[in-house]
Amino acid sequence: AQSVTQPDIHITVSEGASLELRCNYSYGATPYLFWYVQSPGQGLQLLLKYFSGDTLVQGIKGFEAEFKRSQSSFNLRKPSVHWSDAAEYFCAVGANDYKLSFGAGTTVTVRA
Amino acid sequence: DAGVIQSPRHEVTEMGQEVTLRCKPISGHDYLFWYRQTMMRGLELLIYFNNNVPIDDSGMPEDRFSAKMPNASFSTLKIQPSEPRDSAVYFCASSPKGWNSNQPQHFGDGTRLSIL
Repeated sequence: AQSVTQPDIHITVSEGASLELRCNYSYGATPYLFWYVQSPGQGLQLLLKYFSGDTLVQGIKGFEAEFKRSQSSFNLRKPSVHWSDAAEYFCAVGANDYKLSFGAGTTVTVRA
Repeated sequence: DAGVIQSPRHEVTEMGQEVTLRCKPISGHDYLFWYRQTMMRGLELLIYFNNNVPIDDSGMPEDRFSAKMPNASFSTLKIQPSEPRDSAVYFCASSPKGWNSNQPQHFGDGTRLSIL
């Protein structure tokens, strides 16, 4: 069965600074990988996804993620964070049965 | 386009009562998923449907939980009787067939359930 680990429970970053959120997955085949963002009281919004091809994928809101098979990682990055990026971020891996397995999430706090 | 619509947004009830959560998926989506989110366990998949047929209900906690999808535009998640430990945010999501679509798994805004 697939699984996802997000090592960082909480990250605080200054506005304008860069952000990197870590994600490690476990899956026997080529994974389908996703990053979602959840603002307070809201559902999950898809930031970006990786299926195949270019290992650096671009998403919405200026986010990007890089798939590294050798490290079983799919880290999310943003060069310069905005106060509106404060939210909880979830990494997920999808299997051939269309089920998504989510990590525990990383809460991002942005300080002025 | 309308997204996934869940109702109610908030539900507060006493333990022992029956609770029914509702979901309207995006039109044309083949898959519907019910998730539960808690601080302790994170996001858990409870059950999912393909073309209105339950495919995998291994995540349903116990017999007190049941889910139905009588047609392509409506699904319910029922808890009877409810217990305080069922308090959580319940999300519904829908997805078109195949991962290689532009928007896999659209989520609703969730139902925040509190059992007193």
